[in-house]
Amino acid sequence: DAGVIQSPRHEVTEMGQEVTLRCKPISGHDYLFWYRQTMMRGLELLIYFNNNVPIDDSGMPEDRFSAKMPNASFSTLKIQPSEPRDSAVYFCASSLTGLNGYTFGSGTRLTVV
Amino acid sequence: GDSVTQMEGPVTLSEEAFLTINCTYTATGYPSLFWYVQYPGEGLQLLLKATKADDKGSNKGFEATYRKETTSFHLEKGSVQVSDSAVYFCALSDRNSGNTPLVFGKGTRLSVIA
Repeated sequence: DAGVIQSPRHEVTEMGQEVTLRCKPISGHDYLFWYRQTMMRGLELLIYFNNNVPIDDSGMPEDRFSAKMPNASFSTLKIQPSEPRDSAVYFCASSLTGLNGYTFGSGTRLTVV
Repeated sequence: GDSVTQMEGPVTLSEEAFLTINCTYTATGYPSLFWYVQYPGEGLQLLLKATKADDKGSNKGFEATYRKETTSFHLEKGSVQVSDSAVYFCALSDRNSGNTPLVFGKGTRLSVIA
């Protein structure tokens, strides 16, 4: 298995632009998680899905953030409009069940200038 | 609610030194416990886990024992290498809460110098 695949690996964009991050989970995993990592706040859970349905989006910082999972093999995290404080590394992770731990992708490093 | 507390870093050790990274937890139920490692520029990787009291998880020379009486899951390694330099995260999954997300500690950065 190729693991959890995220794209792009790096994204540099100007303030106000729309940014879309992509994730392909491991086949057969029922859970998908989006995290954000910064030096100041550490690892933050933004949203998670179970069987493609959003379960908890209370970690999404603002309405500028949205996430979708149209099918079991693909999810997107969109920021519109982007702001410099959104600069961070965004991770996607998937899991068969939470009890077995997660498999993380390599992350997308987002820089908003 | 459930929580995980790790020792503050950074931790700097010489090669072949003994490593301990402390982790304690608070949970309402009977959690599974995990250690994840994040190497520079990469995502988190599962290092080891333990699912019940007195279980010992081990991998790559690292060990951690699930201690219910002290609510702890300290990570240890007898002889660290430069390649162990990374950030280590302790985490728990509370089975009584169903399949809710893992609760992570803040991470401990380890630097091993030759």
